[in-house]
Amino acid sequence: LAKTTQPISMDSYEGQEVNITCSHNNIATNDYITWYQQFPSQGPRFIIQGYKTKVTNEVASLFIPADRKSSTLSLPRVSLSDTAVYYCLVGEWRYGGSQGNLIFGKGTKLSVKP
Amino acid sequence: EAGVVQSPRYKIIEKKQPVAFWCNPISGHNTLYWYRQNLGQGPELLIRYENEEAVDDSQLPKDRFSAERLKGVDSTLKIQPAELGDSAVYLCASSLTRTGSEQYFGPGTRLTVT
Repeated sequence: LAKTTQPISMDSYEGQEVNITCSHNNIATNDYITWYQQFPSQGPRFIIQGYKTKVTNEVASLFIPADRKSSTLSLPRVSLSDTAVYYCLVGEWRYGGSQGNLIFGKGTKLSVKP
Repeated sequence: EAGVVQSPRYKIIEKKQPVAFWCNPISGHNTLYWYRQNLGQGPELLIRYENEEAVDDSQLPKDRFSAERLKGVDSTLKIQPAELGDSAVYLCASSLTRTGSEQYFGPGTRLTVT
């Protein structure tokens, strides 16, 4: 499983767009990139997953360059409720199902200020 | 639809005492996971079940930890005897099997060993 590196923390203000970049230089051909969000006293929650180019859902966008050695989670117009820890995971599975296990790093602690 | 249910939410015990955590996964989810999360760290997998079978328990400290998933539904994680270093949040997650489904996490049990 590819190792990931992401910033320990980030600060933002309400209404701004936040981009969290994750590097995964050793990503393998069959690896997918998945992001989870975790609020205090809660378990992680799936946000988005992608393989290449761009993926968008109602919560976030995921940008993956052609070499796939990094990825950027984009949160549009953040609010105070987006304050959480965001984990980038890379592995040969889709959605962390039975094909493999999730390996979490320390994540990025995002603090959104008013 | 009910999410993953865990109990208790909080547990305080003295070292050398036994403790057990219970998890009820989302109905129909064949795959069940137990994670441990230390303060400031991401969750780490302890054991993964496919129905009743533990398919990955390589990270489970087998000298003091045990788990079971009778009838392929509910699961129990036990520690006996507990040590100070076992203080952490124990998370249970479940997912559908072979369908590329995301993992759904419960709220966790916060264990404090004194």
